[in-house]
Amino acid sequence: SAVISQKPSRDICQRGTSLTIQCQVDSQVTMMFWYRQQPGQSLTLIATANQGSEATYESGFVIDKFPISRPNLTFSTLTVSNMSPEDSSIYLCSVRRGLGLLQETQYFGPGTRLLVL
Amino acid sequence: GIQVEQSPPDLILQEGANSTLRCNFSDSVNNLQWFHQNPWGQLINLFYIPSGTKQNGRLSATTVATERYSLLYISSSQTTDSGVYFCAVLKTSYDKVIFGPGTSLSVIP
Repeated sequence: SAVISQKPSRDICQRGTSLTIQCQVDSQVTMMFWYRQQPGQSLTLIATANQGSEATYESGFVIDKFPISRPNLTFSTLTVSNMSPEDSSIYLCSVRRGLGLLQETQYFGPGTRLLVL
Repeated sequence: GIQVEQSPPDLILQEGANSTLRCNFSDSVNNLQWFHQNPWGQLINLFYIPSGTKQNGRLSATTVATERYSLLYISSSQTTDSGVYFCAVLKTSYDKVIFGPGTSLSVIP
């Protein structure tokens, strides 16, 4: 299993500001994933963060809007920049862990609930 | 990419009733998981089940990989079972996990 913590758990922000979300994992992992869940929707992958390299962003997500840091193998941050009400979502950090490449299980942090006014 | 469908989209149950949730996927996968998202937003791993059948208490799951579907059974439902159930698949470790749209379950006393 994996124990993942996120900070903050929730926040209310004004449009035009930025928020940085922190994710801490209980032990080292190669990849960390950031997801967004808009109200009433499923989860969408924002980017994959590898230690020591630039994050890989999914279609529709750009580094200027969602800069990611990955300073070591247990920690990552996601910043939501220049926020608008459309950014109101739950943001989740995730890792994979398992016995091998074909037996990996995905685990999720508790999420950060963001409301932008 | 892989398409994942879940049915039904919404379900209301009386406490004590049984239910079956279905997940269909459009391509072969190496990994399939079921998650429960509780009303507070926490995603809880229920099953890692790329094939076969597993049981955990009142919940069980079956994946028929050759026919590209998985079923989640909930027996003797309780109000704490309420929330959204997601199926998620992974084709290879080099791919991203694809989530289905979810089934929203409400269990009423």
